[in-house]
Amino acid sequence: EAGVAQSPRYKIIEKRQSVAFWCNPISGHATLYWYQQILGQGPKLLIQFQNNGVVDDSQLPKDRFSAERLKGVDSTLKIQPAKLEDSAVYLCASSYTRGGLGSTDTQYFGPGTRLTVL
Amino acid sequence: KQEVTQIPAALSVPEGENLVLNCSFTDSAIYNLQWFRQDPGKGLTSLLLIQSSQREQTSGRLNASLDKSSGRSTLYIAASQPGDSATYLCAVRNTDKLIFGTGTRLQVFP
Repeated sequence: EAGVAQSPRYKIIEKRQSVAFWCNPISGHATLYWYQQILGQGPKLLIQFQNNGVVDDSQLPKDRFSAERLKGVDSTLKIQPAKLEDSAVYLCASSYTRGGLGSTDTQYFGPGTRLTVL
Repeated sequence: KQEVTQIPAALSVPEGENLVLNCSFTDSAIYNLQWFRQDPGKGLTSLLLIQSSQREQTSGRLNASLDKSSGRSTLYIAASQPGDSATYLCAVRNTDKLIFGTGTRLQVFP
């Protein structure tokens, strides 16, 4: 079974530029997550999709970040314009069903995209 | 607001030692707690999941315990090996999302 795929693996941009990350979840997984992991910290959830609908985007900085999941499969996360503090690893994860209260549904993580903003 | 803390932040031990990683959380109203492993340049891999009604879970040389009332969990690694070198993260679920700790970076040297 193929895992969660992400691209690119690394990206270096200058502040105020735009950048986009792509994620392909495990086939058949309805739920997709984007996390931001700043160096030395744990991952922080940015947005959660159930099929192609948004379940939770409460921690997504909507003035500069946007995400979509067209057709309920692949997803794209965009930053426009980027700031220095956006330097982080962006992790995509997927799970078979929505991780509800007390859920044991395992999230499978991709390798991440390391973003450096200069 | 749930906060998750892991101690120590880093640990370096010789091969063969038994070791304990600690995780604490501020809101005891959790549904479950998970331990993950993160290797450099790779994503997270789930190691163990403990439901709030459980006290511990075991998988091979790994044993995780949960004391929900005191807001603590420990991950015990028996007979450590160089291949155990990685960052270990704990995460709690008390709403519909996982809240991660800051991680413990473990190095096991031969």
